[in-house]
Amino acid sequence: KAGVTQTPRYLIKTRGQQVTLSCSPISGHRSVSWYQQTPGQGLQFLFEYFSETQRNKGNFPGRFSGRQFSNSRSEMNVSTLELGDSALYLCASALGGARTDTQYFGPGTRLTVL
Amino acid sequence: AQSVTQLDSHVSVSEGTPVLLRCNYSSSYSPSLFWYVQHPNKGLQLLLKYTSAATLVKGINGFEAEFKKSETSFHLTKPSAHMSDAAEYFCVVAQGGSEKLVFGKGTKLTVNP
Repeated sequence: KAGVTQTPRYLIKTRGQQVTLSCSPISGHRSVSWYQQTPGQGLQFLFEYFSETQRNKGNFPGRFSGRQFSNSRSEMNVSTLELGDSALYLCASALGGARTDTQYFGPGTRLTVL
Repeated sequence: AQSVTQLDSHVSVSEGTPVLLRCNYSSSYSPSLFWYVQHPNKGLQLLLKYTSAATLVKGINGFEAEFKKSETSFHLTKPSAHMSDAAEYFCVVAQGGSEKLVFGKGTKLTVNP
């Protein structure tokens, strides 16, 4: 069974640009969560989608948004990039949710903002 | 709001000796608690989880954790460390019974030969 895949793996952008990251969950998984990992703030929850609906949201500004498609694939978008958005962005999938089921993480997308 | 505090940012042990990684949680009701591991250049992996069943939870690779409500703790242990255990470990709580996971700051485990 294929694991969680994320594309692209590495990305370099400049301040003010926008970026879209993609996540393909494990087949059959309907819950997709996104996290931001930085050395200073650690791992922080961004949002979680289940069956195309945002079910949970973290404490990030509105520049961070996401969506989930009918095949459970998910994208997250960051608009008007800031230097502080440089981070590893992790996607994870689970059957019904991270609390009740085992959550599987992808390898992440490393975003660098110059 | 639920939160977790990992009491040690770094722990160093010798191969073959016991491992203890400490975690305290705060929660207004019975929490769901997890331990995740992140090996260098590898993805995060679930080690074990507590969801109000048995208080002693067994995970993968010989790790276990005990939920102690009176001490609000969920410490991770392993009887005998192996070199392959060197990694960063995260204590995690599900916030408010939701699917939103709140991660601790992590404990980096070093295993010396």
